[in-house]
Amino acid sequence: DQQVKQNSPSLSVQEGRISILNCDYTNSMFDYFLWYKKYPAEGPTFLISISSIKDKNEDGRFTVFLNKSAKHLSLHIVPSQPGDSAVYFCAASARGGGADGLTFGKGTHLIIQP
Amino acid sequence: DAGVTQSPTHLIKTRGQHVTLRCSPISGHKSVSWYQQVLGQGPQFIFQYYEKEERGRGNFPDRFSARQFPNYSSELNVNALLLGDSALYLCASSQGVLLGGVGELFFGEGSRLTVL
Repeated sequence: DQQVKQNSPSLSVQEGRISILNCDYTNSMFDYFLWYKKYPAEGPTFLISISSIKDKNEDGRFTVFLNKSAKHLSLHIVPSQPGDSAVYFCAASARGGGADGLTFGKGTHLIIQP
Repeated sequence: DAGVTQSPTHLIKTRGQHVTLRCSPISGHKSVSWYQQVLGQGPQFIFQYYEKEERGRGNFPDRFSARQFPNYSSELNVNALLLGDSALYLCASSQGVLLGGVGELFFGEGSRLTVL
């Protein structure tokens, strides 16, 4: 039973446009959410996070939105750049991620077209 | 500053063998976590260690074990290897046990294990 779902295996966006990556979760105990980016042959790199007490967090070109009632979060990248092409993982944790670690989705492969 | 370092980067084993993977955390980080990433899936939590004590364990069989040393480095051991253990094993470090208030999880490049 997947507790974190990324239903789009891939997404293609034109350079300069907005990329929107979506993530749904089922576990109502999750209280902290993160996005990681992964290039081939590298480990995941932390991008941005959000606590369940907030509904939005911004960091430069990256914004994460959290809709707790819908159990949905999204990552917006504006404007999209060629270097953003990578696999993006949504992750969630309960109780700060200590005993249970992070629960990851399967990832979305973002392709930025020139 | 050096990031999380893992060794070896690649290795091939046969079924029934044992493997030891090693991880050095970012300087100043006291917590190390291990994740398994099978092809086409997201990373799956195996263990978290903090101050040499196990603080969390995922849904993995007892063939998987780990430990953390006084210098905060860590080893992941897998006994009686199965074909299904073929995966990328990721080590991650953080300043403390919990996320958010004390920093996020930073991953190494992983050790790719192939079991034949």
